[in-house]
Amino acid sequence: NAGVTQTPKFRVLKTGQSMTLLCAQDMNHEYMYWYRQDPGMGLRLIHYSVGEGTTAKGEVPDGYNVSRLKKQNFLLGLESAAPSQTSVYFCASSPYTEMNTEAFFGQGTRLTVV
Amino acid sequence: AQTVTQSQPEMSVQEAETVTLSCTYDTSESDYYLFWYKQPPSRQMILVIRQEAYKQQNATENRFSVNFQKAAKSFSLKISDSQLGDTAMYFCAFMRGDDKIIFGKGTRLHILP
Repeated sequence: NAGVTQTPKFRVLKTGQSMTLLCAQDMNHEYMYWYRQDPGMGLRLIHYSVGEGTTAKGEVPDGYNVSRLKKQNFLLGLESAAPSQTSVYFCASSPYTEMNTEAFFGQGTRLTVV
Repeated sequence: AQTVTQSQPEMSVQEAETVTLSCTYDTSESDYYLFWYKQPPSRQMILVIRQEAYKQQNATENRFSVNFQKAAKSFSLKISDSQLGDTAMYFCAFMRGDDKIIFGKGTRLHILP
């Protein structure tokens, strides 16, 4: 099982460039999330989705957009990258169930904006 | 809004000792889930233990156990017989059944030989 796969694993962008991070899960999970991890800040939620075609803002949504056109994919877009968006980005998914719920994570994407 | 607080940014213990990591949370909900995740240097997020709020019994997984105090909104993680491989960042997390997962800022744990 692949689980949750993030593409790419590493990326360097110039200020003002755009890019899209792809998250794919093969577990038929309803929920998907994008987090960013910065030193001393833990994991902060950027956007999340509770089902295909739905998205919602998290704690730090500014400068990011997302789309969930297919249940298995959750895309995170940066329209005009800024140095403050240098971070490690994690995608996660979880099933919609009252039993045995947990979040499954991708391996992370290290993004540097110069 | 739900919040999760981990008051210990960093801890160090000797191998084979017992260590307890603290976590408190704030919510008005009565039904929710709590988690401890481990992040070793490989950066992978690994579920350590899970607790359903409706269960009074504290969850255990081998050397890992929790002390869940629902009224106090406290969810501490105890690691017994600590091993060098337990060195990692540990994150406490909260989830309502139909909503997002919120993480604390983490505790960096060092197990010393």
